[in-house]
Amino acid sequence: DTEVTQTPKHLVMGMTNKKSLKCEQHMGHRAMYWYKQKAKKPPELMFVYSYEKLSINESVPSRFSPECPNSSLLNLHLHALQPEDSALYLCASSQGRARGYTEAFFGQGTRLTVV
Amino acid sequence: SQQGEEDPQALSIQEGENATMNCSYKTSINNLQWYRQNSGRGLVHLILIRSNEREKHSGRLRVTLDTSKKSSSLLITASRAADTASYFCATASNFGNEKLTFGTGTRLTIIP
Repeated sequence: DTEVTQTPKHLVMGMTNKKSLKCEQHMGHRAMYWYKQKAKKPPELMFVYSYEKLSINESVPSRFSPECPNSSLLNLHLHALQPEDSALYLCASSQGRARGYTEAFFGQGTRLTVV
Repeated sequence: SQQGEEDPQALSIQEGENATMNCSYKTSINNLQWYRQNSGRGLVHLILIRSNEREKHSGRLRVTLDTSKKSSSLLITASRAADTASYFCATASNFGNEKLTFGTGTRLTIIP
């Protein structure tokens, strides 16, 4: 199984809502990522988890809150978002540095619209 | 922040021709990877080249890496309509973490 599964595929939320994005992988990968991608732009790194610990936070606003409950799951909790946060949110996983920095596997993304 | 700049930003070629995309980056890397993205969905890994390698092949793909110039190129030979997509280079950090940073991307269109 070389899949990274993201749910939901689409999400529309109001600025006062709280929602969560979910990501799951069963490849035994120990590094997991959240990226944000705006239209016609490259993916922009938000967070990296390494061995279930947050290792990189790219100065992301606190209205985005990541969580890694176990080695297979990654969540992104959303609260009080702004319309400019509308984007494609991508989750990825890789074997990480312990295995020599191999390729990342991406999910299909959650297309988020904030109204 | 973006690690890499890619050029061209957009490229249109006839089916059967070769396509070349270039990537430049700024800091020391462990490896450089190329990804393809169709229609703004998930990215698919194409090829990985390590910092101690100079050239790598995979099917119709050829990647080169010049660490002295901090640049890489991706060549797709005998292009097909299905190769129409956005292509991104991504650099893996050499600073003991799993940071993977994407370049600006090239939008490739193959004209049948």
